[in-house]
Amino acid sequence: KQEVTQIPAALSVPEGENLVLNCSFTDSAIYNLQWFRQDPGKGLTSLLLIQSSQREQTSGRLNASLDKSSGRSTLYIAASQPGDSATYLCAVRDQGGKLIFGQGTELSVKP
Amino acid sequence: NAGVTQTPKFQVLKTGQSMTLQCAQDMNHEYMSWYRQDPGMGLRLIHYSVGAGITDQGEVPNGYNVSRSTTEDFPLRLLSAAPSQTSVYFCASMKSQGNQPQHFGDGTRLSIL
Repeated sequence: KQEVTQIPAALSVPEGENLVLNCSFTDSAIYNLQWFRQDPGKGLTSLLLIQSSQREQTSGRLNASLDKSSGRSTLYIAASQPGDSATYLCAVRDQGGKLIFGQGTELSVKP
Repeated sequence: NAGVTQTPKFQVLKTGQSMTLQCAQDMNHEYMSWYRQDPGMGLRLIHYSVGAGITDQGEVPNGYNVSRSTTEDFPLRLLSAAPSQTSVYFCASMKSQGNQPQHFGDGTRLSIL
């Protein structure tokens, strides 16, 4: 059974710092891996999707990497801003289309 | 662009009552799914559908029913509400083909007394 783990559960950083969020999964037979952002009381917004054949994806200040063989993904946020404060979730998609989520990392960026 | 629309946004029920959570998408997505989100548990898949007329169980299906009579709609029914079903429910959709992201609704916050 696929299990997804995110470390740390919570992170507080001062504005301007670069930071890394970690995601690990137990079964390397994934279709893709997605990173989402969730603001309090809101739904999930897709940030980046990495196909199983890819190593990384970039969008603005965000960079996500994927190492299938080791079952790891990282989300790198450059020059963090208070507006980046949210919960970040990673999810792996299996061949049938189902997403298995980690429990998320709650990020707080202090001005 | 409506995307994925969930109604209602909030609901309070008494134990034993039944209700239907509505979900509609206007993106012609084949794949739709329902999740529940609980503190410390992350999002867990309840039911999903790969197309009209086809549904299947996810990780936590007990106490819930779904149907998919059209591509656009995927309602979730609570048959006899229990306090353990107090949660935030999210509906999501995506294109089945290719590497496409899932689109989520804003959620329904459900309390069972």
